[in-house]
Amino acid sequence: KQEVTQIPAALSVPEGENLVLNCSFTDSAIYNLQWFRQDPGKGLTSLLLIQSSQREQTSGRLNASLDKSSGRSTLYIAASQPGDSATYLCATDNYGQNFVFGPGTRLSVLP
Amino acid sequence: DAGVIQSPRHEVTEMGQEVTLRCKPISGHNSLFWYRQTMMRGLELLIYFNNNVPIDDSGMPEDRFSAKMPNASFSTLKIQPSEPRDSAVYFCASSSRYEQYFGPGTRLTVT
Repeated sequence: KQEVTQIPAALSVPEGENLVLNCSFTDSAIYNLQWFRQDPGKGLTSLLLIQSSQREQTSGRLNASLDKSSGRSTLYIAASQPGDSATYLCATDNYGQNFVFGPGTRLSVLP
Repeated sequence: DAGVIQSPRHEVTEMGQEVTLRCKPISGHNSLFWYRQTMMRGLELLIYFNNNVPIDDSGMPEDRFSAKMPNASFSTLKIQPSEPRDSAVYFCASSSRYEQYFGPGTRLTVT
């Protein structure tokens, strides 16, 4: 059974810092991995999708990498802003059988 | 496209009552997912459909929960009878191939 963990559980940084969020999964036989953002009281917004044949994806200040063999993905946020404050979740798609979500990293970017 | 639409956005009901949550997926998406999110357990997949057919309902907590997808544009999640421990935010998501898109959620409170 796939298990997904995220480190750290919470992170507080000053505005302008570059930061890395980590996602680990136990079963490397995944179809893809997706990063989401969730604002308080809101639904999840898709940030980046990395298919199993890819190693990374970029969107603006966000870069996500995937290393299937080691069961790890990282989300890199450059030049963080207060508007980046949210909870970030990763999820694995296990060959379309189901999606398994990590518990999330709660990020606070201080002005 | 309006995105994934869920109704109601908030539901408060008394223990023992029947609750029906509704979801309209994004047009053209052939997969639909129901999730439950709580502080204690995080985001859990309850059931997912592919081309209107339930594929995996192993996450449905017990027989009080049922889900249907009578056509490609509508799905319901029903709880009968409801219990206080069912209080959570219920999300519906849809996808076409790889990437999931979430609705805003229904916040259910059972008193």
